[in-house]
Amino acid sequence: LAKTTQPISMDSYEGQEVNITCSHNNIATNDYITWYQQFPSQGPRFIIQGYKTKVTNEVASLFIPADRKSSTLSLPRVSLSDTAVYYCLVVSTGGFKTIFGAGTRLFVKA
Amino acid sequence: NAGVMQNPRHLVRRRGQEARLRCSPMKGHSHVYWYRQLPEEGLKFMVYLQKENIIDESGMPKERFSAEFPKEGPSILRIQQVVRGDSAAYFCASSPVERPTDTQYFGPGTRLTVL
Repeated sequence: LAKTTQPISMDSYEGQEVNITCSHNNIATNDYITWYQQFPSQGPRFIIQGYKTKVTNEVASLFIPADRKSSTLSLPRVSLSDTAVYYCLVVSTGGFKTIFGAGTRLFVKA
Repeated sequence: NAGVMQNPRHLVRRRGQEARLRCSPMKGHSHVYWYRQLPEEGLKFMVYLQKENIIDESGMPKERFSAEFPKEGPSILRIQQVVRGDSAAYFCASSPVERPTDTQYFGPGTRLTVL
């Protein structure tokens, strides 16, 4: 399973765009990149998943370069309620174990 | 459609007692995952189950921990003879199909405190 590396924490202000980058140098051909969000005292919530190039949904965008060794989660115009921990995961189609790293703690200030 | 249900939400046990954590997956989901989360850390995979089958238990300690997902009823994570180091939040997730790339839907967790 590919190991992921992401910043421990980030600060931002309301209304700004936030980009969180995740490194996964050992990603395999069958692996997908998935991001989850977790608020205190709650279970993680799926945000977005992608394999290559760009994926966008109503919440975020995910940018994956051609070599797939990194990915960037982009949150447009964050609000205070986006303060949470964001986890980058590499999920393999060949197995069922899902590995969560330490995540990135995002603090959004007024 | 109710989400993943876990109970109890908080559980306090003394060292040596047993802890039973329950998880009811979302309606229509037959795949259940259990994770453990220590304070300020990410989630650690413990076990993946389908109805009446344990598919992958590689993340679960060999002793004192067991999990089941019977044909009827919730999935149960059982911890025997709890120790202080078992204090953590335990999350259950479910998915509708067995593709690991499919979204997992998480419950609110059970916070176990061992005195």
